[in-house]
Amino acid sequence: DAGVIQSPRHEVTEMGQEVTLRCKPISGHDYLFWYRQTMMRGLELLIYFNNNVPIDDSGMPEDRFSAKMPNASFSTLKIQPSEPRDSAVYFCASSLAYQETQYFGPGTRLLVL
Amino acid sequence: SQQGEEDPQALSIQEGENATMNCSYKTSINNLQWYRQNSGRGLVHLILIRSNEREKHSGRLRVTLDTSKKSSSLLITASRAADTASYFCATDGDGQNFVFGPGTRLSVLP
Repeated sequence: DAGVIQSPRHEVTEMGQEVTLRCKPISGHDYLFWYRQTMMRGLELLIYFNNNVPIDDSGMPEDRFSAKMPNASFSTLKIQPSEPRDSAVYFCASSLAYQETQYFGPGTRLLVL
Repeated sequence: SQQGEEDPQALSIQEGENATMNCSYKTSINNLQWYRQNSGRGLVHLILIRSNEREKHSGRLRVTLDTSKKSSSLLITASRAADTASYFCATDGDGQNFVFGPGTRLSVLP
């Protein structure tokens, strides 16, 4: 398996623009997680899905953030409109089962100017 | 909060020395995991230890868990320059998925 795949790897955009981050989890994994990592706040869980259904989105910072998982092999995290404070590395991870090892993608480094 | 807290925040050692990092947490857990993150990369899973286990080994890594003290330690023996990375512990609890601590930055000097 190729592991968790994220795209793009880097994104530079201007404030106010829409940003869409993409993730393909490991095949067969029932759980998918979106994290954000910054120097100030460390690694924060934004939302996670079980069998394509959002379970806990309490970490989503505000309504500008939304996440979807239309099928078992694809998820998106959208920021609209983006702001400079959204600049961070966004990670997607997947796991086979609840409270089991999470496998992380390489991350998307987002810079909002 | 369930979040684990790693200690120290940063650690510098010479190649060949052992490195020990600690993780303390506040409430009861089901499992505790250690991850490594190289600069600019995603997190890589190292070891998962369950609440009924006291010690696990993987190569040069040794993890201990003391549930009475709510703490875990990660020992890296005979460190190498390639071990330079940030190390995170992640803890879970009843009805809660893993929460990551702020990490320990390890520098192994050649």
